Amino acid sequence: DVKVTQSSRYLVKRTGEKVFLECVQDMDHENMFWYRQDPGLGLRLIYFSYDVKMKEKGDIPEGYSVSREKKERFSLILESASTNQTSMYLCASSLKTFRGGGYEQYFGPGTRLTVT
Amino acid sequence: GESVGLHLPTLSVQEGDNSIINCAYSNSASDYFIWYKQESGKGPQFIIDIRSNMDKRQGQRVTVLLNKTVKHLSLQIAATQPGDSAVYFCAENSGNTPLVFGKGTRLSVIA
Repeated sequence: DVKVTQSSRYLVKRTGEKVFLECVQDMDHENMFWYRQDPGLGLRLIYFSYDVKMKEKGDIPEGYSVSREKKERFSLILESASTNQTSMYLCASSLKTFRGGGYEQYFGPGTRLTVT
Repeated sequence: GESVGLHLPTLSVQEGDNSIINCAYSNSASDYFIWYKQESGKGPQFIIDIRSNMDKRQGQRVTVLLNKTVKHLSLQIAATQPGDSAVYFCAENSGNTPLVFGKGTRLSVIA
């Protein structure tokens, strides 16, 4: 079974702190993704990565950065946490496709971050 | 609280009835479609997928229908059970691009 794990299920941080959210997958997937999920807004893509050291901005990258130093690990960084970044953060991974059609994204359990 | 700003469409069905959850998509170039189920406090879980060269695919108690002409996707759940209560998301993509997710539908099963 594919396993996507996230470093914390619940996290409470103070405004202005630097926050690291870690994600690890064990299926040698090339693609990794970070989403945030808020009530009524669905899943919104923050950043994604197609390979080691590669990153692409998603729909809402402002206030975030990412790091992919190893294939299995994709980190989301909140440079200076703000209260509007209180949310559920979901990591996902998938195989890379070179022709038409995508592949299933496997999700981690999520990290509920509260910024006070 | 959790419900502030939450405006998910909700489908309520009796236990044992069939459920149909609908999804409209906008990108005519999309060639891969997928349904996820998300239970409270958990990440989305794969239910079933379909590629654009098909119009129907069946799994265990679930069927996905794809109508490319009107850009519509549906998920049918047979003999709905209390454990089916969750939020269901459709998603689409083409090529090696991230999935684009719908806003979700909450399914509530009445025992």
